[in-house]
Amino acid sequence: ETGVTQSPTHLIKTRGQQVTLRCSSQSGHNTVSWYQQALGQGPQFIFQYYREEENGRGNFPPRFSGLQFPNYSSELNVNALELDDSALYLCASSLGTTDGYTFGSGTRLTVV
Amino acid sequence: KQEVTQIPAALSVPEGENLVLNCSFTDSAIYNLQWFRQDPGKGLTSLLLIQSSQREQTSGRLNASLDKSSGRSTLYIAASQPGDSATYLCSGTGTASKLTFGTGTRLQVTL
Repeated sequence: ETGVTQSPTHLIKTRGQQVTLRCSSQSGHNTVSWYQQALGQGPQFIFQYYREEENGRGNFPPRFSGLQFPNYSSELNVNALELDDSALYLCASSLGTTDGYTFGSGTRLTVV
Repeated sequence: KQEVTQIPAALSVPEGENLVLNCSFTDSAIYNLQWFRQDPGKGLTSLLLIQSSQREQTSGRLNASLDKSSGRSTLYIAASQPGDSATYLCSGTGTASKLTFGTGTRLQVTL
């Protein structure tokens, strides 16, 4: 059984650019969530997908968007990058909305 | 709105000590309580999951308890080792199924 895989591991972008982060869920997990973790803070919920439909969103602007594919892999897209978007982005998957979550190793995004 | 607080924010103990990390949450209507470990710059590793019908879970030297009525959870680490040095995060799953995290307890176990 493979865990949650995220790519890329590190990324540097320029302010105003767009970025796509990818996540492969743990086998059989139909729920995927994305979190943003700034340095020294706990992860903040961005949004969650269940069977390809968004079923929860945190306090993030619309330039943060996502997709979940039929194989339950997922993407996080961020448009018009700002310096404050620099953070560790974490993907987590679960068997269902009330089960425990398995996290990936994260993507470290730096916006310059 | 769920808020999670972890105390202490940082802790340094000598190897071999038993220790307790505390987590409190404002909304008792959480479904699950999950403790994670995070090494610097890395992702989160799940340590223990306490599901809604449970009050405690144990894994090796770790024991976590949950008291929904008081809005508290504790993580007990027995016989601490230098390899336990990390940040420990607790999270509650609410009805919206998102995880709400505290800011963590940074633990250092010294030789």
